[in-house]
Amino acid sequence: GAGVSQTPSNKVTEKGKYVELRCDPISGHTALYWYRQSLGQGPEFLIYFQGTGAADDSGLPNDRFFAVRPEGSVSTLKIQRTERGDSAVYLCASSLGTRGDTQYFGPGTRLTVL
Amino acid sequence: EDQVTQSPEALRLQEGESSSLNCSYTVSGLRGLFWYRQDPGKGPEFLFTLYSAGEEKEKERLKATLTKKESFLHITAPKPEDSATYLCAVQASTSGTYKYIFGTGTRLKVLA
Repeated sequence: GAGVSQTPSNKVTEKGKYVELRCDPISGHTALYWYRQSLGQGPEFLIYFQGTGAADDSGLPNDRFFAVRPEGSVSTLKIQRTERGDSAVYLCASSLGTRGDTQYFGPGTRLTVL
Repeated sequence: EDQVTQSPEALRLQEGESSSLNCSYTVSGLRGLFWYRQDPGKGPEFLFTLYSAGEEKEKERLKATLTKKESFLHITAPKPEDSATYLCAVQASTSGTYKYIFGTGTRLKVLA
């Protein structure tokens, strides 16, 4: 079956601009996660959704970052006033039910802020 | 503080040379330990989940084991296609909240 998909695969933007990154989870998965991965590092947790609500957003670095999942399926990660330090690969994962389930990852969006 | 440490950072093996990767953890309320494989430019690919000390899982040339303080990923007779970064993650539970913490990975290169 189809896995987690993310668009775009690459995004280049200028400092100060606004970007949106999209994630399509595996069909039927109620839990969705966003991570950020810098070169040579493991994924760093950003936010977790259970259904439509953000159950844990403790990993969002500051208020420039925001994510939504209005219908409990597709999610969008939004970054305002981008900074060069935001450059990284943004990964999305989904799992079947509760947070204890195995997470399946998408291919990621590589964000480059010039 | 909850922490996951993987060693070595990088490993070069000759084809057929078996070895082990280590993931040591210090977390409160371990709910599960996960191994992933990550190829360059791709998202992590799930390999194994281990839930309790003494548990073992196998898949082809890979075997994962778990103790109370660490997990090992054993690679038997590796092939060049096993070259990748192997990530370990733990899920910890504290006061009803859950955290999913990744290590920095082991970059494995298998030479033909």
